[in-house]
Amino acid sequence: EPEVTQTPSHQVTQMGQEVILRCVPISNHLYFYWYRQILGQKVEFLVSFYNNEISEKSEIFDDQFSVERPDGSNFTLKIRSTKLEDSAMYFCASSELRVMGNTEAFFGQGTRLTVV
Amino acid sequence: KNQVEQSPQSLIILEGKNCTLQCNYTVSPFSNLRWYKQDTGRGPVSLTIMTFSENTKSNGRYTATLDADTKQSSLHITASQLSDSASYICVVSPPPGYSTLTFGKGTMLLVSP
Repeated sequence: EPEVTQTPSHQVTQMGQEVILRCVPISNHLYFYWYRQILGQKVEFLVSFYNNEISEKSEIFDDQFSVERPDGSNFTLKIRSTKLEDSAMYFCASSELRVMGNTEAFFGQGTRLTVV
Repeated sequence: KNQVEQSPQSLIILEGKNCTLQCNYTVSPFSNLRWYKQDTGRGPVSLTIMTFSENTKSNGRYTATLDADTKQSSLHITASQLSDSASYICVVSPPPGYSTLTFGKGTMLLVSP
């Protein structure tokens, strides 16, 4: 069964450093998303991406964040200068169509980012 | 502003028993309501998806109900198994033209032997 894969599973970084989280969405999917979950809290939407551009972003997704689909298969989330409060589990998701109706969104296993 | 509220926050039941989890939402309009299962440290996995016109949807031992008038949904788990121990999250999908899923905080279910 096709799945969304994320690497690395765990990333530890020093405050102020740049990190890139990587995702390989399901191959025939057209919509890609990043969500995050701070420990003990709910999953929060960061950004959606379609047709090589951001289609929606939340207020969390400020200038420190950027997304890219560099090669047609990978989908990356870059945090330019990490802060302690960026520590969270980051989930990549993809869907064949926009997530309305019965369109399924498939989530990866997540990357746990720890900023020290 | 929390647009999806779930109760209870946590629940412990004995293996083999049934349980019902609740979800109230204020997101409006919406296109569908989903229930996800999230094992600790893993990504959410979809259990059911219901459009606003559907009242019930089953997936094996999981049955979800939706009352769009009262903006309430429930997830009923029958004959619970140890592997059902997880967080169950109610998620509301956006209206046409948007792609953001709005998550509840989840109900943490522990099935005890």
